[in-house]
Amino acid sequence: QSALTQPASVSGSPGQSITISCTGTNSDVGGFGYVSWYQQHPGKAPKLMIYDVTNRPSGVSNRFSGSKSGSTASLTISGLQAEDEADYYCTSFTSTSIYVFGTGTKVTVL
Amino acid sequence: QVQLQESGPGLVKPSETLSLTCTVSGASISSYYWNWIRQPPGKGLEWIGYIYNSGSTKYNPSLKSRVTISIDTSKNQFSLKLSSVTAADTAVYYCATLTTSLSFDIWGPGTMVTVS
Repeated sequence: QSALTQPASVSGSPGQSITISCTGTNSDVGGFGYVSWYQQHPGKAPKLMIYDVTNRPSGVSNRFSGSKSGSTASLTISGLQAEDEADYYCTSFTSTSIYVFGTGTKVTVL
Repeated sequence: QVQLQESGPGLVKPSETLSLTCTVSGASISSYYWNWIRQPPGKGLEWIGYIYNSGSTKYNPSLKSRVTISIDTSKNQFSLKLSSVTAADTAVYYCATLTTSLSFDIWGPGTMVTVS
């Protein structure tokens, strides 16, 4: 099972919107509605931001939203803020009942 | 509120077995899926495996031959053993669980393990 493909870096100015893609196959992202997204600040454990493609856990800002088209899932951060600068990872449940993570994306707020 | 805490040696010699424990509070170890995930320094996250139903397991195929995850219901803990370690196994090791659908919503703070 290969890692899901994410862009290495994405940047934007405060207030702008950015989108991070997560590309897999029909055996993972394309075949299931179990894509989740995680935010990780340096030295910290990852934090769940989106689950089941589009759902936000309680306490997560509504500036974060998720979507999926075919085998590519996306995380959009609107109204970009300095505190959003972090690494972001997607993950998907797969056809063999295991998990695969994305390669990770570093978000920079300019 | 479910909380997780990893513990174990921070330094392991090459070819030996890495052993870590995750202590669960706020939930019964008989519920949910209990996972191990690792992150080498400066690199991305890698799912290692999970245990559920107090004994059934699933492992990352790339690590399957070296990994064992087990549960101690009397201590409300689950454990990771990774055999024949090399420097490539140096990483922060996290335990995590799925209480919301099939996503890792609860994480431990992580523990750094160096193979040297």
